[in-house]
Amino acid sequence: EAQVTQNPRYLITVTGKKLTVTCSQNMNHEYMSWYRQDPGLGLRQIYYSMNVEVTDKGDVPEGYKVSRKEKRNFPLILESPSPNQTSLYFCASSLSVRGTTTDTQYFGPGTRLTVL
Amino acid sequence: SQQGEEDPQALSIQEGENATMNCSYKTSINNLQWYRQNSGRGLVHLILIRSNEREKHSGRLRVTLDTSKKSSSLLITASRAADTASYFCATGTPGLGSARQLTFGSGTQLTVLP
Repeated sequence: EAQVTQNPRYLITVTGKKLTVTCSQNMNHEYMSWYRQDPGLGLRQIYYSMNVEVTDKGDVPEGYKVSRKEKRNFPLILESPSPNQTSLYFCASSLSVRGTTTDTQYFGPGTRLTVL
Repeated sequence: SQQGEEDPQALSIQEGENATMNCSYKTSINNLQWYRQNSGRGLVHLILIRSNEREKHSGRLRVTLDTSKKSSSLLITASRAADTASYFCATGTPGLGSARQLTFGSGTQLTVLP
Protein backbone atom coordinates (compact mmCIF):
# COMPACT_ATOMS: atom_id res chain seq x y z
CA GLU A 1 0.00 0.00 0.00
CA ALA A 2 1.32 3.42 -0.98
CA GLN A 3 1.78 5.45 2.14
CA VAL A 4 3.72 7.94 4.21
CA THR A 5 4.50 6.80 7.73
CA GLN A 6 5.60 8.85 10.70
CA ASN A 7 6.91 7.83 14.07
CA PRO A 8 6.16 8.40 16.81
CA ARG A 9 2.51 9.38 16.52
CA TYR A 10 2.49 11.00 19.95
CA LEU A 11 5.39 12.36 21.94
CA ILE A 12 5.64 14.26 25.20
CA THR A 13 9.09 15.55 26.03
CA VAL A 14 10.84 18.22 28.05
CA THR A 15 12.60 21.39 26.99
CA GLY A 16 16.06 20.81 25.61
CA LYS A 17 15.90 17.06 25.09
CA LYS A 18 16.83 16.29 21.50
CA LEU A 19 14.31 14.32 19.51
CA THR A 20 13.80 12.96 16.01
CA VAL A 21 10.55 12.35 14.21
CA THR A 22 10.94 9.89 11.39
CA CYS A 23 9.16 10.01 8.05
CA SER A 24 9.23 7.37 5.38
CA GLN A 25 7.45 6.97 2.05
CA ASN A 26 7.26 3.95 -0.22
CA MET A 27 6.20 5.69 -3.43
CA ASN A 28 9.67 6.58 -4.72
CA HIS A 29 8.75 10.25 -4.47
CA GLU A 30 11.46 12.82 -4.96
CA TYR A 31 9.83 15.62 -3.00
CA MET A 32 9.29 15.46 0.74
CA SER A 33 8.23 18.12 3.16
CA TRP A 34 7.52 18.80 6.82
CA TYR A 35 4.67 20.97 8.05
CA ARG A 36 3.43 22.03 11.40
CA GLN A 37 -0.21 22.72 12.08
CA ASP A 38 -1.35 25.09 14.78
CA PRO A 39 -4.88 26.32 15.54
CA GLY A 40 -5.84 29.27 13.38
CA LEU A 41 -2.59 29.16 11.42
CA GLY A 42 -3.21 26.31 9.03
CA LEU A 43 -0.25 24.34 7.78
CA ARG A 44 3.11 26.01 7.66
CA GLN A 45 6.04 24.48 5.91
CA ILE A 46 9.16 23.84 7.97
CA TYR A 47 11.60 22.27 5.51
CA TYR A 48 11.39 20.52 2.21
CA SER A 49 13.60 18.35 0.09
CA MET A 50 13.61 18.12 -3.68
CA ASN A 51 15.75 14.97 -3.69
CA VAL A 52 18.49 13.12 -1.84
CA GLU A 53 20.94 15.53 -0.23
CA VAL A 54 18.85 18.52 -1.41
CA THR A 55 16.99 20.33 1.35
CA ASP A 56 15.78 23.87 1.84
CA LYS A 57 13.98 26.01 4.38
CA GLY A 58 10.27 26.57 4.36
CA ASP A 59 8.40 29.31 6.15
CA VAL A 60 9.21 28.35 9.75
CA PRO A 61 12.57 26.52 9.86
CA GLU A 62 13.93 27.97 13.12
CA GLY A 63 14.65 25.31 15.72
CA TYR A 64 14.47 22.42 13.26
CA LYS A 65 16.89 20.37 11.20
CA VAL A 66 16.34 17.81 8.50
CA SER A 67 18.40 15.39 6.48
CA ARG A 68 17.76 13.43 3.30
CA LYS A 69 20.32 10.68 3.01
CA GLU A 70 17.94 8.26 1.34
CA LYS A 71 15.10 8.92 -1.01
CA ARG A 72 12.48 7.28 1.17
CA ASN A 73 13.36 8.89 4.52
CA PHE A 74 13.18 12.48 5.69
CA PRO A 75 13.63 12.79 9.46
CA LEU A 76 12.81 15.97 11.36
CA ILE A 77 15.24 16.79 14.15
CA LEU A 78 14.63 19.10 17.08
CA GLU A 79 18.03 19.64 18.67
CA SER A 80 16.74 21.55 21.67
CA PRO A 81 12.94 21.53 21.74
CA SER A 82 11.08 24.41 23.33
CA PRO A 83 7.42 24.74 24.37
CA ASN A 84 6.62 26.86 21.30
CA GLN A 85 7.35 23.80 19.19
CA THR A 86 4.38 22.02 20.70
CA SER A 87 2.33 21.30 17.60
CA LEU A 88 0.94 18.72 15.22
CA TYR A 89 3.54 17.77 12.63
CA PHE A 90 2.93 16.31 9.21
CA CYS A 91 5.29 14.82 6.71
CA ALA A 92 4.26 14.79 3.07
CA SER A 93 5.69 13.57 -0.21
CA SER A 94 4.97 14.02 -3.86
CA LEU A 95 6.34 13.09 -7.23
CA SER A 96 8.20 16.11 -8.48
CA VAL A 97 9.27 16.31 -12.06
CA ARG A 98 11.99 18.86 -12.78
CA GLY A 99 10.98 20.81 -9.73
CA THR A 100 7.55 21.69 -11.06
CA THR A 101 4.77 22.37 -8.64
CA THR A 102 1.87 20.43 -9.99
CA ASP A 103 1.72 17.34 -7.92
CA THR A 104 -0.60 16.02 -5.29
CA GLN A 105 0.96 15.68 -1.88
CA TYR A 106 0.49 12.56 0.21
CA PHE A 107 0.44 13.13 3.91
CA GLY A 108 1.48 11.04 6.84
CA PRO A 109 -0.88 10.53 9.80
CA GLY A 110 0.75 13.22 11.91
CA THR A 111 2.84 13.41 15.06
CA ARG A 112 1.44 15.27 18.03
CA LEU A 113 4.35 16.73 19.96
CA THR A 114 4.12 18.31 23.38
CA VAL A 115 7.17 20.03 24.83
CA LEU A 116 6.93 20.75 28.53
CA SER B 1 3.00 32.97 4.37
CA GLN B 2 -0.56 31.95 3.59
CA GLN B 3 -1.61 32.16 0.00
CA GLY B 4 -5.09 30.68 0.18
CA GLU B 5 -7.78 31.90 2.54
CA GLU B 6 -10.90 29.85 2.98
CA ASP B 7 -14.33 31.23 3.63
CA PRO B 8 -16.27 30.59 5.77
CA GLN B 9 -14.07 29.49 8.64
CA ALA B 10 -16.86 27.24 9.87
CA LEU B 11 -19.99 25.84 8.23
CA SER B 12 -22.75 23.75 9.75
CA ILE B 13 -25.42 22.10 7.58
CA GLN B 14 -27.96 19.32 7.67
CA GLU B 15 -27.30 15.96 6.05
CA GLY B 16 -28.47 16.02 2.44
CA GLU B 17 -27.81 19.72 1.93
CA ASN B 18 -25.05 21.09 -0.26
CA ALA B 19 -21.95 22.67 1.23
CA THR B 20 -20.00 25.40 -0.51
CA MET B 21 -16.58 26.59 0.57
CA ASN B 22 -14.57 29.34 -1.03
CA CYS B 23 -10.88 30.00 -1.36
CA SER B 24 -9.17 33.20 -2.37
CA TYR B 25 -5.51 33.57 -3.18
CA LYS B 26 -3.13 36.36 -3.99
CA THR B 27 -0.53 35.44 -6.59
CA SER B 28 -0.36 33.52 -9.85
CA ILE B 29 -0.86 29.80 -9.59
CA ASN B 30 -0.42 26.81 -11.83
CA ASN B 31 -2.89 24.71 -9.90
CA LEU B 32 -5.18 24.74 -6.91
CA GLN B 33 -5.89 21.70 -4.80
CA TRP B 34 -8.44 20.86 -2.14
CA TYR B 35 -7.66 18.60 0.79
CA ARG B 36 -9.78 17.16 3.58
CA GLN B 37 -8.62 16.56 7.11
CA ASN B 38 -10.51 14.54 9.63
CA SER B 39 -9.90 15.61 13.20
CA GLY B 40 -6.26 15.13 14.18
CA ARG B 41 -5.42 13.14 11.06
CA GLY B 42 -3.36 13.70 7.95
CA LEU B 43 -4.67 15.59 4.97
CA VAL B 44 -6.19 13.67 2.12
CA HIS B 45 -6.13 15.00 -1.41
CA LEU B 46 -9.57 15.52 -2.92
CA ILE B 47 -9.17 17.23 -6.24
CA LEU B 48 -6.75 19.30 -8.30
CA ILE B 49 -7.72 21.94 -10.82
CA ARG B 50 -5.18 23.48 -13.14
CA SER B 51 -5.01 27.17 -13.91
CA ASN B 52 -6.33 26.64 -17.43
CA GLU B 53 -9.40 24.76 -16.18
CA ARG B 54 -12.59 26.39 -14.97
CA GLU B 55 -14.52 23.52 -13.48
CA LYS B 56 -13.86 19.97 -12.40
CA HIS B 57 -15.99 17.19 -10.95
CA SER B 58 -15.19 14.18 -8.85
CA GLY B 59 -18.12 12.20 -7.49
CA ARG B 60 -20.09 14.56 -5.23
CA LEU B 61 -17.39 17.22 -5.47
CA ARG B 62 -17.43 20.13 -7.85
CA VAL B 63 -14.60 22.63 -7.97
CA THR B 64 -14.56 25.88 -9.87
CA LEU B 65 -11.65 28.19 -10.49
CA ASP B 66 -11.78 31.84 -11.50
CA THR B 67 -8.25 33.04 -12.11
CA SER B 68 -9.41 36.58 -12.91
CA LYS B 69 -10.85 36.83 -9.39
CA LYS B 70 -8.17 34.61 -7.87
CA SER B 71 -10.79 32.44 -6.26
CA SER B 72 -12.02 28.88 -6.17
CA SER B 73 -15.02 27.15 -4.69
CA LEU B 74 -15.61 23.61 -3.53
CA LEU B 75 -19.15 22.29 -3.63
CA ILE B 76 -20.06 19.07 -1.86
CA THR B 77 -23.49 17.89 -2.93
CA ALA B 78 -25.87 15.75 -0.88
CA SER B 79 -23.65 15.97 2.16
CA ARG B 80 -23.28 13.14 4.63
CA ALA B 81 -22.25 13.04 8.27
CA ALA B 82 -18.99 11.43 7.12
CA ASP B 83 -18.15 14.64 5.24
CA THR B 84 -17.62 16.37 8.58
CA ALA B 85 -14.00 17.51 8.42
CA SER B 86 -11.78 20.50 7.78
CA TYR B 87 -11.26 21.44 4.17
CA PHE B 88 -8.15 23.22 2.93
CA CYS B 89 -7.28 24.79 -0.34
CA ALA B 90 -3.66 24.75 -1.41
CA THR B 91 -2.12 26.67 -4.23
CA GLY B 92 0.75 25.53 -6.38
CA THR B 93 2.88 28.36 -7.61
CA PRO B 94 4.67 28.35 -10.94
CA GLY B 95 8.37 28.29 -11.63
CA LEU B 96 11.34 26.28 -10.45
CA GLY B 97 12.09 28.92 -7.87
CA SER B 98 8.89 28.14 -6.05
CA ALA B 99 9.94 24.66 -5.13
CA ARG B 100 7.97 24.82 -1.91
CA GLN B 101 5.10 23.69 -4.08
CA LEU B 102 1.97 24.10 -2.04
CA THR B 103 0.81 26.87 0.24
CA PHE B 104 -2.15 26.03 2.44
CA GLY B 105 -4.94 28.18 3.76
CA SER B 106 -6.26 27.95 7.30
CA GLY B 107 -9.23 25.81 6.38
CA THR B 108 -13.01 25.60 6.65
CA GLN B 109 -14.47 23.40 9.36
CA LEU B 110 -17.54 21.65 7.94
CA THR B 111 -20.01 19.99 10.27
CA VAL B 112 -22.78 17.89 8.75
CA LEU B 113 -25.56 17.21 11.20
CA PRO B 114 -27.49 13.95 10.92
